[in-house]
Amino acid sequence: KQEVTQIPAALSVPEGENLVLNCSFTDSAIYNLQWFRQDPGKGLTSLLLIQSSQREQTSGRLNASLDKSSGRSTLYIAASQPGDSATYLCAVRPIYSGGSNYKLTFGKGTLLTVNP
Amino acid sequence: GAGVSQSPRYKVAKRGQDVALRCDPISGHVSLFWYQQALGQGPEFLTYFQNEAQLDKSGLPSDRFFAERPEGSVSTLKIQRTQQEDSAVYLCASSPTHLYEQYFGPGTRLTVT
Repeated sequence: KQEVTQIPAALSVPEGENLVLNCSFTDSAIYNLQWFRQDPGKGLTSLLLIQSSQREQTSGRLNASLDKSSGRSTLYIAASQPGDSATYLCAVRPIYSGGSNYKLTFGKGTLLTVNP
Repeated sequence: GAGVSQSPRYKVAKRGQDVALRCDPISGHVSLFWYQQALGQGPEFLTYFQNEAQLDKSGLPSDRFFAERPEGSVSTLKIQRTQQEDSAVYLCASSPTHLYEQYFGPGTRLTVT
């Protein structure tokens, strides 16, 4: 059974700092990995989706990397801002094997606070 | 265009009451998913629909949970005789087909007192 772990569980940084969030997964047979942002009382906003054949994806100040063989992904946030404060979740999707490859397995998330 | 919408956004129920949570997927999306997110946890899969067919209900925690999508569009998640452990955020997601990215709604926060 796939297990996804996110470290740290919470992180507090001053504005302007660069930071890295970590995600690890136990089964490397994944189709893709996705990073989401969740604001309090809100749903999930997709940030970046990395296919299993890719090594990284970038969007603005965000960069996500994927090392499938070691079961790791990192989300790098450059020049953090107070508006980045939220919970960041990673989720993996299994490869298609005629079964339930639609089930996303999520980590518990990292609660990020960026202080002005 | 409009995203996935869910209603109500917040629901408070007394233990033992039945509740119904609604999901309006993105128009034309064939696949619809329900997830449950307990406090401090990541979302967990509950059930999957392809059009009106419920193809996977393996994540439903008990027979008190029931989901339907009778016309292949709007879906309702029903919880009978609610218990305190049912308190969670219930997220709905839709996608063009099950192989594509899932788009999530804002969720319904259910509190059982």
